[in-house]
Amino acid sequence: QKEVEQNSGPLSVPEGAIASLNCTYSDRVSQSFFWYRQYSGKSPELIMSIYSNGDKEDGRFTAQLNKASQYVSLLIRDSQPSDSATYLCAVNAGNTPLVFGKGTRLSVIA
Amino acid sequence: EPEVTQTPSHQVTQMGQEVILRCVPISNHLYFYWYRQILGQKVEFLVSFYNNEISEKSEIFDDQFSVERPDGSNFTLKIRSTKLEDSAMYFCASSERGGDLIPRDAEAFFGQGTRLTVV
Repeated sequence: QKEVEQNSGPLSVPEGAIASLNCTYSDRVSQSFFWYRQYSGKSPELIMSIYSNGDKEDGRFTAQLNKASQYVSLLIRDSQPSDSATYLCAVNAGNTPLVFGKGTRLSVIA
Repeated sequence: EPEVTQTPSHQVTQMGQEVILRCVPISNHLYFYWYRQILGQKVEFLVSFYNNEISEKSEIFDDQFSVERPDGSNFTLKIRSTKLEDSAMYFCASSERGGDLIPRDAEAFFGQGTRLTVV
């Protein structure tokens, strides 16, 4: 059974701080790792993807992957109230479908 | 920017009725998916579709469910006899290819969803 685990939160951070979101996965053959943002009642929106160990930066977002530890994280710098949402970690291996975690609810306090 | 579109946005149906949820994937994408999310729960995979056939399906996708690509643009999910527990958000997604050769090709983009309420 492929599992993706996330702390459900809520994670509360003050505006301007760094938010750190974590995810672990069980399937060692996983190759592709994604972070989706989901506002309440809306669909998942792809914000970051990472495929190799290390860091990948895109604007205020940094994804970090450690395949040996089966761990992927998302850092959001200079957090804004508009970043308040649920962040979903999703994983797949090649052609397999995405396996999602339950998501971490982030609340950025102005 | 290309996007996945779904209709209707909200569907209310009586238990036992058939429903068809419609999706138009991104035009150059080859892989299509249906996921569902019951309120407060995780996004769950239902089925994937490639080259005009189902490539993978989950345990949820039983004989009550079917998918079809009736023409070059639409991708539909049919639930034959709806049950109360089918109430959920249903998301269609598409990706350019599978990710076996180039992982980036597995990036899946989601439509805005159809909220199905079975009463």
